[in-house]
Amino acid sequence: QKEVEQDPGPLSVPEGAIVSLNCTYSNSAFQYFMWYRQYSRKGPELLMYTYSSGNKEDGRFTAQVDKSSKYISLFIRDSQPSDSATYLCAMRTDSWGKLQFGAGTQVVVTP
Amino acid sequence: DTGVSQDPRHKITKRGQNVTFRCDPISEHNRLYWYRQTLGQGPEFLTYFQNEAQLEKSRLLSDRFSAERPKGSFSTLEIQRTEQGDSAMYLCASSFSGTSGRNEQYFGPGTRLTVT
Repeated sequence: QKEVEQDPGPLSVPEGAIVSLNCTYSNSAFQYFMWYRQYSRKGPELLMYTYSSGNKEDGRFTAQVDKSSKYISLFIRDSQPSDSATYLCAMRTDSWGKLQFGAGTQVVVTP
Repeated sequence: DTGVSQDPRHKITKRGQNVTFRCDPISEHNRLYWYRQTLGQGPEFLTYFQNEAQLEKSRLLSDRFSAERPKGSFSTLEIQRTEQGDSAMYLCASSFSGTSGRNEQYFGPGTRLTVT
């Protein structure tokens, strides 16, 4: 079993809808949680960074971390076709080390 | 700030050949990471440097792989005697370990390797 599980999708939503993404993990030592967006054949782009449990909002993006359930979420409001990409969750146990990624969820926003 | 750059962007090589990739991190970033990503998977950690010191290597980094960061700036990743299983996207990331503790990793565009 992988340390970080993420549904690969694809997840198809109409333009303007809310996109809901999530990851589960097994290692309770993870403390730092990130979401990256990756367009086809490009490098991952950091979207959200969260330390420990709680919510964080940045524009149309909201990240939630529930450490008691080992579950993290990303919500994208008012989705646009340009949001079509693969979304990767990532996490690590300390502030400087390697990231452990999920497999990524492919999102398609249709006009 | 020009971001993390990687060269080449694409490399096609024949099995058994050696290849070398280069990564230039964001200036003033003291940590540099290498990851490998295969189709449909998330990036997998290979190794990382703080300045010129290589601090951790994954078990994925077989003895055919070697990475260097000689002056604490750019880094190279060499694969000797390439195998078809080495075909992947090789990603480099950099971060700055300041007092904030955030240490976000910023990725380059990657080098796509195809071994024929």
